[in-house]
Amino acid sequence: SQTIHQWPATLVQPVGSPLSLECTVEGTSNPNLYWYRQAAGRGLQLLFYSVGIGQISSEVPQNLSASRPQDRQFILSSKKLLLSDSGFYLCAWTPRANYGYTFGSGTRLTVV
Amino acid sequence: GNSVTQMEGPVTLSEEAFLTINCTYTATGYPSLFWYVQYPGEGLQLLLKATKADDKGSNKGFEATYRKETTSFHLEKGSVQVSDSAVYFCALLGPPITGNQFYFGTGTSLTVIP
Repeated sequence: SQTIHQWPATLVQPVGSPLSLECTVEGTSNPNLYWYRQAAGRGLQLLFYSVGIGQISSEVPQNLSASRPQDRQFILSSKKLLLSDSGFYLCAWTPRANYGYTFGSGTRLTVV
Repeated sequence: GNSVTQMEGPVTLSEEAFLTINCTYTATGYPSLFWYVQYPGEGLQLLLKATKADDKGSNKGFEATYRKETTSFHLEKGSVQVSDSAVYFCALLGPPITGNQFYFGTGTSLTVIP
């Protein structure tokens, strides 16, 4: 069966520190992968998506970046966090169109 | 472009009340439509979906019908329970040129009181 792992579950980081969030998918190959952010009291904002290894599309200009070093691994990074980076980050995958997303359990990031 | 508009919350209902959460969309073509649910402190889970006009998605007593003529996909449940308290997101699936990304509404928070 397919599963998606996302970690850590919670993270408190000081302003200016680096960030690395990891997401891996098991039981499938060549999934479409996505990073979303949900800020407090707001909806979901697509940050990045990837349709293959090394292929990253950015939806919102910001100080975050994403990488896909392996087929089933998707990493969200920042060199220097801002207060405005606080939020709930969700990784998702889909095998193909019309299947719907499967979301990871999310990472709650608080930048202090 | 593609977008989804949901009714604003929060919505508070008594147990066994009827629920409607409105959702309308703008899209090129006829996208698949989805409802996701987010329980407190958790990620999002797929609740139901419809892939073509007049399809009805249903799950756990929730229903939504894909209405092409009104570009709507309203979520309904005949009798809500306290355990239905969550945030509900309407979404549409973009075409392959967008990487099959989902376009989400802003979410509607539902609280059901005993």
